[in-house]
Amino acid sequence: DGGITQSPKYLFRKEGQNVTLSCEQNLNHDAMYWYRQDPGQGLRLIYYSQIVNDFQKGDIAEGYSVSREKKESFPLTVTSAQKNPTAFYLCASSKQGRDYGYTFGSGTRLTVV
Amino acid sequence: GQQVMQIPQYQHVQEGEDFTTYCNSSTTLSNIQWYKQRPGGHPVFLIQLVKSGEVKKQKRLTFQFGEAKKNSSLHITATQTTDVGTYFCAGSNSGYSTLTFGKGTMLLVSP
Repeated sequence: DGGITQSPKYLFRKEGQNVTLSCEQNLNHDAMYWYRQDPGQGLRLIYYSQIVNDFQKGDIAEGYSVSREKKESFPLTVTSAQKNPTAFYLCASSKQGRDYGYTFGSGTRLTVV
Repeated sequence: GQQVMQIPQYQHVQEGEDFTTYCNSSTTLSNIQWYKQRPGGHPVFLIQLVKSGEVKKQKRLTFQFGEAKKNSSLHITATQTTDVGTYFCAGSNSGYSTLTFGKGTMLLVSP
């Protein structure tokens, strides 16, 4: 079955460390997205990519970085510059254009200890 | 930037009661989508509305897009415990821009 896979499901990080969250999709979708979800805050866009080797900042990109070297993969690095990284991170993908909904992964819950 | 407001933030109903959540955008939207997130889960796409005044139904769920394409609503008739979750609306102001999500309405249904 086609889908979008995020790993790990839970991640603990010490302050000052960078950590990379994995996102892989086999849906042949061109666009991929990273959202952050905090209680009562909805989903906020971190970065998105509409094509391989290209990506754009979302609303809350500071302290994060991404790469898009392959169509299937869109890893997110949470750097030590992110002041409040504890959150639920959701990766999504979609076909290009307005007629398509997003398919979300099951998320990674990151906790800074 | 574009803002999408959703009300209420939370609603608790008895099973069998109806439920409605409302979504309002600060700008005219190209399309609006609705998602459901079960507790502990991830958002799942429900439906998309594109046309002014559009109404779509999925069993007990009715989705509406306002005439001015700046507001939308989701109505659930005779709620069931399986309807529990957070319902998000998400709007886009062009065909190739990203979605802006509302903060969601959390629905709790008591048996």
